[in-house]
Amino acid sequence: DAGVIQSPRHEVTEMGQEVTLRCKPISGHNSLFWYRQTMMRGLELLIYFNNNVPIDDSGMPEDRFSAKMPNASFSTLKIQPSEPRDSAVYFCASRLGLAGDTQYFGPGTRLTVL
Amino acid sequence: GENVEQHPSTLSVQEGDSAVIKCTYSDSASNYFPWYKQELGKRPQLIIDIRSNVGEKKDQRIAVTLNKTAKHFSLHITETQPEDSAVYFCAARRPNQGGKLIFGQGTELSVKP
Repeated sequence: DAGVIQSPRHEVTEMGQEVTLRCKPISGHNSLFWYRQTMMRGLELLIYFNNNVPIDDSGMPEDRFSAKMPNASFSTLKIQPSEPRDSAVYFCASRLGLAGDTQYFGPGTRLTVL
Repeated sequence: GENVEQHPSTLSVQEGDSAVIKCTYSDSASNYFPWYKQELGKRPQLIIDIRSNVGEKKDQRIAVTLNKTAKHFSLHITETQPEDSAVYFCAARRPNQGGKLIFGQGTELSVKP
């Protein structure tokens, strides 16, 4: 079975550039979560979707960050413009929904903004 | 909102010893408490979870206990092995929050052979 798929796995970009991270949840899962992990702040929830609808985006740090889920099998997290302090590992996770508890994490995208 | 505190931040044990990691939560309405293990450079993976209607749950060498009155829960690893070395995260979830988890800060466990 394919797990959560994220791309790219690594991204190096320069300050000011637009960055787009992609996530494909596990088939049949209808909840999707975006996390950011840093040494300083740990694992932070940025935003999550249920049935493709954003439910809580209170963790999105600022207007430079945006997330979309156009359909049940794809989501993007965009940073525009990127800054060095955005450097982190970004994880996507999915959950079966009301019928399931477990969040399954993707392999993450390691973002470095120079 | 919910807040989860996790202690200790680092823990070093000898192989074969037990390890205990503790978490406290602030919202008495929280009813689901998972533990995730994250090996270096890898994704967090669920290792055990407990619901608020249960006081203890065990799976081979790992167990979790929950004290609802005190609002804390703990992870117990017995007969530790070097492959248990990782960062462990606790989390809490309130009902009707769409599955939103609030994570603790993590505990880096090192098991020395």
